Amino acid sequence: AQTVTQSQPEMSVQEAETVTLSCTYDTSESDYYLFWYKQPPSRQMILVIRQEAYKQQNATENRFSVNFQKAAKSFSLKISDSQLGDAAMYFCAYRSARGSQGNLIFGKGTKLSVKP
Amino acid sequence: DAGITQSPRHKVTETGTPVTLRCHQTENHRYMYWYRQDPGHGLRLIHYSYGVKDTDKGEVSDGYSVSRSKTEDFLLTLESATSSQTSVYFCAISESGASNQPQHFGDGTRLSIL
Repeated sequence: AQTVTQSQPEMSVQEAETVTLSCTYDTSESDYYLFWYKQPPSRQMILVIRQEAYKQQNATENRFSVNFQKAAKSFSLKISDSQLGDAAMYFCAYRSARGSQGNLIFGKGTKLSVKP
Repeated sequence: DAGITQSPRHKVTETGTPVTLRCHQTENHRYMYWYRQDPGHGLRLIHYSYGVKDTDKGEVSDGYSVSRSKTEDFLLTLESATSSQTSVYFCAISESGASNQPQHFGDGTRLSIL
């Protein structure tokens, strides 16, 4: 069974600085997808970025980028120029490319605080 | 934003009572999911559906049942609620199962069982 581990329960960053959130996963599959979701205090789950395992190029979305290391099974999220609105829980998630279930397997989350 | 509506948004009930949560989507997506979110556990899959009347169990399905009689509606039922089912429940939808298309989530239902 696949597992997702986020080893940092809480992180803090100064406004305008850069922060990296860690995520590792365990799988025997070669084809899969990885996601980062953001959950602000409003409770809504917002997709931040996605990565296909077959793509070597790291995904980027504006100030958000990932460092995908397939051999190491690592998928970290880098937030550049941090803003107060980035304060939230961040969840890393795995989705198999095989089978028909399609559910996400989540890590336990990292709570990010942004200091003004 | 994906058209997903969860109802109710909040509910307080007593142990032993039946509870039904509703997820309604306007995207005509085939897959629908119910997750629960608890501190220290992230989100865990309860049940999912891959079409009308087609459902299957997830990781934490004990004590829950689901039904999907229409593409747009996915119901989660707690037949006899227990305090351990106090949680935040999220519905999610997806166009297909094994794809890079992300799941889109509703705003969640906070359920408290006293």
